[in-house]
Amino acid sequence: NAGVMQNPRHLVRRRGQEARLRCSPMKGHSHVYWYRQLPEEGLKFMVYLQKENIIDESGMPKERFSAEFPKEGPSILRIQQVVRGDSAAYFCASSPPTGLYGYTFGSGTRLTVV
Amino acid sequence: GESVGLHLPTLSVQEGDNSIINCAYSNSASDYFIWYKQESGKGPQFIIDIRSNMDKRQGQRVTVLLNKTVKHLSLQIAATQPGDSAVYFCAENFQGAQKLVFGQGTRLTINP
Repeated sequence: NAGVMQNPRHLVRRRGQEARLRCSPMKGHSHVYWYRQLPEEGLKFMVYLQKENIIDESGMPKERFSAEFPKEGPSILRIQQVVRGDSAAYFCASSPPTGLYGYTFGSGTRLTVV
Repeated sequence: GESVGLHLPTLSVQEGDNSIINCAYSNSASDYFIWYKQESGKGPQFIIDIRSNMDKRQGQRVTVLLNKTVKHLSLQIAATQPGDSAVYFCAENFQGAQKLVFGQGTRLTINP
């Protein structure tokens, strides 16, 4: 039973480019969450999605960031026109419909903006 | 505002000793707490959780204590091993929201 799969593991982008981060939840999990972690800090909630719906995006920056979880395929976190301050580790977690129990994290995508 | 903080950013212990990692939370409405372990280059790994209607919960070599009076959470690791070296985070959940609020983390290092 594969865990939460994130790719790519490492992503390097030049300032102004777009970054697309992908997350496939665990089998049977229908809820996806994205978190951002800056060096030496804890994880910060960004967005919570269910299939085809954004449930809570209270942690998403107002500009340049968007997320989706289509009916088919992985969840995508998209960052347009990246800046150096976007450099961080981005973690995806998934949980079953019952909620937080079984909340499982992926290994993350390390984004470096040069 | 919402916040979860840790008293000690780093902790160094001798192999075989017990480790205690502390966490303070500010939201008295929080009703679910989780401890995570994060090794270098990896995602957070669930260790143990506790609901607010409990004050103690034990797992394999780990114990979580919850003191709601002073809004304090601790993780005790018995007979610390080299494989326990990692950063440990507490996280809280409140008001039924489907998101976790994480503390800054404590780095645990094991001396041989």
